[in-house]
Amino acid sequence: SYVLTQPPPVSVAPGHTAKITCGGNNIGGNSVHWYQQRPGQAPVLVVYDDTYRPSGIPERFSGSNSGNTAILTISRVEAGDEADYYCQVWDSTSDHPGVFGGGTKLTVL
Amino acid sequence: VQLLESGGGLVRPGGSLRLSCAASRFPFSSYAMSWVRQAPGKGLEWVSTIGGDGDTTYYANSVKGRFTISRDNSQNTLNLQMNSLRAEDTAVYYCALCSVTSPYYFDYWGQGTLVTVSS
Repeated sequence: SYVLTQPPPVSVAPGHTAKITCGGNNIGGNSVHWYQQRPGQAPVLVVYDDTYRPSGIPERFSGSNSGNTAILTISRVEAGDEADYYCQVWDSTSDHPGVFGGGTKLTVL
Repeated sequence: VQLLESGGGLVRPGGSLRLSCAASRFPFSSYAMSWVRQAPGKGLEWVSTIGGDGDTTYYANSVKGRFTISRDNSQNTLNLQMNSLRAEDTAVYYCALCSVTSPYYFDYWGQGTLVTVSS
């Protein structure tokens, strides 16, 4: 089945920009979706189809996807952004189509 | 959108459990639905997805042949029958509403129900 690779924990100071990557073989040929999970809470969709934000998600959250890497960018990071972030694809060619990355912990210093 | 899971609990290895998810405030039969789980301290793992009409199902390799997803569109309910449970099935199980069309993402999530497999 398709494999998504996310980096170790990321730390960023408030007001700065965080970039969380998601690697996969030719991931640019897939639609990538991103979820935020705060401690003790259910995940929340923050970016879908590479670049789109659901209603209610701040413009500070943006996504890109090309080649072998998708990126979630969080601008002007706030304390409330501290969470685990997961990328996800749906591989329609596989008999195991739902795939999540391993997650990246974002710490706001 | 409201998704409310139930049915979690403690079960012995080899046992069975049936999870349910009561859905409301959206046209249930028009959407695919999924189960996603999270083992304690671990990441998210997709488990299973069922199409809106119930005719199409997908399973993770780790649960294929042991778990069965189903839905009752007359009752707006999603189910997951879990048989031959193993310790590694211990997790919080989330019910999730899928995007309108494939390739799917998970638009809304319930709060989860904890399944513990232990002797």
